[in-house]
Amino acid sequence: DAGVIQSPRHEVTEMGQEVTLRCKPISGHDYLFWYRQTMMRGLELLIYFNNNVPIDDSGMPEDRFSAKMPNASFSTLKIQPSEPRDSAVYFCASRKTGTVDTGELFFGEGSRLTVL
Amino acid sequence: KNQVEQSPQSLIILEGKNCTLQCNYTVSPFSNLRWYKQDTGRGPVSLTIMTFSENTKSNGRYTATLDADTKQSSLHITASQLSDSASYICVVSAKTGANNLFFGTGTRLTVIP
Repeated sequence: DAGVIQSPRHEVTEMGQEVTLRCKPISGHDYLFWYRQTMMRGLELLIYFNNNVPIDDSGMPEDRFSAKMPNASFSTLKIQPSEPRDSAVYFCASRKTGTVDTGELFFGEGSRLTVL
Repeated sequence: KNQVEQSPQSLIILEGKNCTLQCNYTVSPFSNLRWYKQDTGRGPVSLTIMTFSENTKSNGRYTATLDADTKQSSLHITASQLSDSASYICVVSAKTGANNLFFGTGTRLTVIP
């Protein structure tokens, strides 16, 4: 399996612009998570989906952030309008239930966002 | 409140030396604890998992310990190599709750020649 695939790997944009980050989870995984990582706060959960349905979006910082999962193989995280404080690395992760070892997350390589 | 704290925040050691990273947690009810390794510019990758009944588990030069009574875990790296330079993140799973994963902020390890 190719693992969790994220795009773009790097994004540099100007304040006020719309940013869309994309994620393809591992086939067969029914949970998908979006995390934001900064030096100060580490990994923070933004939102997660189960079977394409958003379960908990309490970590989404503001209405400027939105996430969708139209099908089992694709999710997007959108920031509109972007601000410099949104600069961070955004990770997508997936996992599946129904196994003895239910805690492991499989992470993508991340999308490094810089907002100027 | 469910929390995971790691220490030290950063560590620099000479190649070939050993080191120990610490993880303290208050997550309850406890399910398991994982150590992840995150290389620079990459996503975290699971190194090992510790369940309630396990005290020690080794994965090559990495040895994890768990004391469920004191709610502490350690990750010991033996004979460090340059490739061990990375961030090590402790993640504790609770038995209940839809969002049951709690993350430490990580220890940044730098191995120098």
